[in-house]
Amino acid sequence: QVQLQESGPGLVKPSETLSLTCTVSGGSISNYYWNWIRQSPGKGLEWIGYIYYSGRTNYNPSLKSRVTISVDTSKNQFSLKVYSVTAADTAVYYCARDAVRGVISHFDPWGQGTLVTVSS
Amino acid sequence: DIQMTQSPSSLSASVGDRVTITCQASQDISNYLNWYQQKPGKAPKLLIYDASNLGTGVPSRFSGSGSGTDFTFTISSLQPEDIATYYCQQYENLPRTFGGGTKVGIK
Repeated sequence: QVQLQESGPGLVKPSETLSLTCTVSGGSISNYYWNWIRQSPGKGLEWIGYIYYSGRTNYNPSLKSRVTISVDTSKNQFSLKVYSVTAADTAVYYCARDAVRGVISHFDPWGQGTLVTVSS
Repeated sequence: DIQMTQSPSSLSASVGDRVTITCQASQDISNYLNWYQQKPGKAPKLLIYDASNLGTGVPSRFSGSGSGTDFTFTISSLQPEDIATYYCQQYENLPRTFGGGTKVGIK
């Protein structure tokens, strides 16, 4: 079955760029929507945005000006960049797939998550 | 953005009890409502999609109902392994939004 794995630095300095990659195994990245979701320590869940395999994106307006999501179909990966980070961007970052081919639906599966701390 | 309001924020119940969580949307979302379970240190796991459909491999003691703005999630007989935080999430409109979560504990 499809599995997702996040990777990237666990510590980022304030004002720098947070960069994460999600590697998809056990299936193709084609024909699905791929998402980034984050969870601040002790807080709830916030959807950051999605990318369709074709490259079409949609971002949460709360982060839109600071976020870019990209896809590399040749590597079966998609990536997240958050620019000009502050301590408020400290969170566990999850990647997740929309479960139904070609449509926005429910998140399944999820990656295990990776904690990114913003600190000098 | 569509606001999702869950209640209660936490509850304690005995093993075998029926547990009910509600989720209210700030506008009509039809049945575009999903429920997730999150255990400490783990990623959320899909339980219910489209308000009332059981996810693959999810035990039948979990169920969901509702449409429009009011939704209910039920555990028919609470088990020790159900200790977790439960979240509702809408996808009728972007941005997709989650409820604040309900932490379920054992008495």
